[in-house]
Amino acid sequence: QKEVEQDPGPLSVPEGAIVSLNCTYSNSAFQYFMWYRQYSRKGPELLMYTYSSGNKEDGRFTAQVDKSSKYISLFIRDSQPSDSATYLCALGRLAGNMLTFGGGTRLMVKP
Amino acid sequence: DAGITQSPRHKVTETGTPVTLRCHQTENHRYMYWYRQDPGHGLRLIHYSYGVKDTDKGEVSDGYSVSRSKTEDFLLTLESATSSQTSVYFCAGGDSNQPQHFGDGTRLSIL
Repeated sequence: QKEVEQDPGPLSVPEGAIVSLNCTYSNSAFQYFMWYRQYSRKGPELLMYTYSSGNKEDGRFTAQVDKSSKYISLFIRDSQPSDSATYLCALGRLAGNMLTFGGGTRLMVKP
Repeated sequence: DAGITQSPRHKVTETGTPVTLRCHQTENHRYMYWYRQDPGHGLRLIHYSYGVKDTDKGEVSDGYSVSRSKTEDFLLTLESATSSQTSVYFCAGGDSNQPQHFGDGTRLSIL
């Protein structure tokens, strides 16, 4: 079993929809959490990061962490075609500087 | 991320030849990383560096070596390329318990 599980999709939604992207993890040693967006033929771009349980909002994006359930989510409000990309969750331990990545979810937002 | 540049962006070579990929950063990150990204496997860590001349192996290090003679530059070498090393290679930089920032990748094809 992988340490971090992420549904690969693809997830197809109409423009304006609310999108929910999720990852589950098995190791309680993970203490900080990130979401990256990756466009085709580009590198992963950091969207959100947080160290604590609860919600963190940035514009149309909200990251949610539930450490007790070992579950993290990224919500995208008013989704746009430009949001079409692969979204990767990444988790880190406080000791050391390695990240463990989910496999990514491909999102398609249709006009 | 403009702070991490990779070269070349594309390369085609033959089995058995040596290949060196270059990563240059302008952000003074202490840590630098090399990943490969393959369908079905996501991002996998090859090697990383935690300072000049300080490097260590990652999850998939066999067949790869790295060097870091300056803070800004991190080289990945395939001593004798094999077809299984055809992949997209990403370099990243970061600092203690902080997110990593990625370059735009090198597409390597080994025929």
